[in-house]
Amino acid sequence: AQSVTQLDSQVPVFEEAPVELRCNYSSSVSVYLFWYVQYPNQGLQLLLKYLSGSTLVESINGFEAEFNKSQTSFHLRKPSVHISDTAEYFCAVSDLSGGYNKLIFGAGTRLAVHP
Amino acid sequence: DGGITQSPKYLFRKEGQNVTLSCEQNLNHDAMYWYRQDPGQGLRLIYYSQIVNDFQKGDIAEGYSVSREKKESFPLTVTSAQKNPTAFYLCASSIRDTYSYEQYFGPGTRLTVT
Repeated sequence: AQSVTQLDSQVPVFEEAPVELRCNYSSSVSVYLFWYVQYPNQGLQLLLKYLSGSTLVESINGFEAEFNKSQTSFHLRKPSVHISDTAEYFCAVSDLSGGYNKLIFGAGTRLAVHP
Repeated sequence: DGGITQSPKYLFRKEGQNVTLSCEQNLNHDAMYWYRQDPGQGLRLIYYSQIVNDFQKGDIAEGYSVSREKKESFPLTVTSAQKNPTAFYLCASSIRDTYSYEQYFGPGTRLTVT
């Protein structure tokens, strides 16, 4: 079965600094990968996804993630963060074993952007 | 506006009582899901439904029940058999039950049982 590891439970960073949130998944077979963002007491919003093609995917608000098959990673990066990026970020991978659209989520990384 | 509605946002119950959480979507999505979120554990799948009148257990279905009588609605009942029901519950839907379609999430219901 698939599993997802988010290596950092919390990441503090100063405003305008770069940030990387790390995500590793367990399977080496074809996967679909997602990053979701959750603001306090809200649901999850899709940030970006990798399905196929270019290994570098971008979101509309400056985040990007790179699919690395050999390292089974899908790290999320932003070159310059804003206070408004403070949220919890979840990496997820589709599990192809159950015959339905099952997402396996990591435990989340809480990004705290300080002025 | 299309989206997923969950109500209420906060719910308080006494131990031993059953409680039903509402989830409605107007996205015309076929598949719907219920997740439980606990601090530091990510999201865990409780139940999912691919079509009306059909649903399957997820990873942590014990103590929960669901129904899918309408395409738009997928209510979750937390029964008194659920040993630790206090959590944040999220409903989601997707266009269809294939791997490449992302899931859309509702705003969540925070259930506190005392």
